[in-house]
Amino acid sequence: GDSVTQTEGLVTLTEGLPVMLNCTYQSTYSPFLFWYVQHLNEAPKLLLKSFTDNKRPEHQGFHATLHKSSSSFHLQKSSAQLSDSALYYCASATSSGQKLVFGQGTILKVYL
Amino acid sequence: EAGVTQSPRYAVLQEGQAVSFWCDPISGHDTLYWYQQPRDQGPQLLVYFRDEAVIDNSQLPSDRFSAVRPKGTNSTLKIQSAKQGDTATYLCASKTANTEVFFGKGTRLTVV
Repeated sequence: GDSVTQTEGLVTLTEGLPVMLNCTYQSTYSPFLFWYVQHLNEAPKLLLKSFTDNKRPEHQGFHATLHKSSSSFHLQKSSAQLSDSALYYCASATSSGQKLVFGQGTILKVYL
Repeated sequence: EAGVTQSPRYAVLQEGQAVSFWCDPISGHDTLYWYQQPRDQGPQLLVYFRDEAVIDNSQLPSDRFSAVRPKGTNSTLKIQSAKQGDTATYLCASKTANTEVFFGKGTRLTVV
């Protein structure tokens, strides 16, 4: 079945440094890819979604590029902020979008 | 717009006890999901409905777990005889055509 892999359990950064969280996927079909962010005691919320036309989605300074050749959808931001500290999930779904398959999650901690 | 509402927010049980979780999706959302989110893991789909019909319950441990959505609106997830391995956060989510998946804050279950 489909699967999503996030290799880093924890990423720690100093404020102002660039962020990259890794995500790779395996799927029989060409899935949609998503990044969700979950702050402490809050619901997971959609951060980014891949486009079918290969446009690069961006939100709140974060962006991600879908690379079908390497089956990756890494999350990036040029300059981390303290408020970016949260749990980030990469997820995939088939074209119908009915079932999300999540990775293990990466905790991002940003320090002064 | 009201989000997905879940109750209770927390539950602590002894092994063998039963518990029910309740979910009120966003109004008008025909698809409802229940996910299990063990500590330090990503959410894993248990079951999902479209209106009142179960579409996929292949990952629901049928001997002890049950889920219903009798009128195609609210839903209840029940664990008949809880085990320590059921300790997790249970997330409810909803969507309709052409929308993203919206999550509730979850019910954090601890089985001792």
